[in-house]
Amino acid sequence: AQSVSQHNHHVILSEAASLELGCNYSYGGTVNLFWYVQYPGQHLQLLLKYFSGDPLVKGIKGFEAEFIKSKFSFNLRKPSVQWSDTAEYFCAVTLSGSARQLTFGSGTQLTVLP
Amino acid sequence: DGGITQSPKYLFRKEGQNVTLSCEQNLNHDAMYWYRQDPGQGLRLIYYSQIVNDFQKGDIAEGYSVSREKKESFPLTVTSAQKNPTAFYLCASSTPGTSGREQFFGPGTRLTVL
Repeated sequence: AQSVSQHNHHVILSEAASLELGCNYSYGGTVNLFWYVQYPGQHLQLLLKYFSGDPLVKGIKGFEAEFIKSKFSFNLRKPSVQWSDTAEYFCAVTLSGSARQLTFGSGTQLTVLP
Repeated sequence: DGGITQSPKYLFRKEGQNVTLSCEQNLNHDAMYWYRQDPGQGLRLIYYSQIVNDFQKGDIAEGYSVSREKKESFPLTVTSAQKNPTAFYLCASSTPGTSGREQFFGPGTRLTVL
């Protein structure tokens, strides 16, 4: 069965620390990959996405992610977090060309201490 | 402003009652989705619709029903058959296409069964 794993359920960092959130998927075909973020009290919104091409993808607010096909991974990174990055982060995957759905990971709650 | 609206924001229901959650979009998107979000489980797909008058079951459709009579609207009914309906419900929509289906999300409805 298709699945997405986010192994870090809750991450606590101090401001200016570097961030890396793990995301691994199990899909047999060509995939499209997404990171969504849910700030407290706000809509779920897209942080970045990978369709094809350069495996290093840059998103909003200084986030980036690297697609490593051999490892079935799409980890999210940020060199220096801010208090305003406190949110829940979701990795999601769909098969390229699929009309069906996104499959989401269980989410990682990031808390950044001022 | 273009976007997705969900109403109500909070909903309380007595056991044994059916309740309908509203989802409206003015993005001119063909596809619409309903997800359920539970703590530690990410988002799970309930139903999706790629076009008016057509919809498919997702991973957890039991106890739910939908209709898609208009492109803009995709209401979700939580029936009394749903054993554990207390959750946060998210509606999403996306454009058609063969790759990179970014989904846009509404603000959600929090349903509590009393």
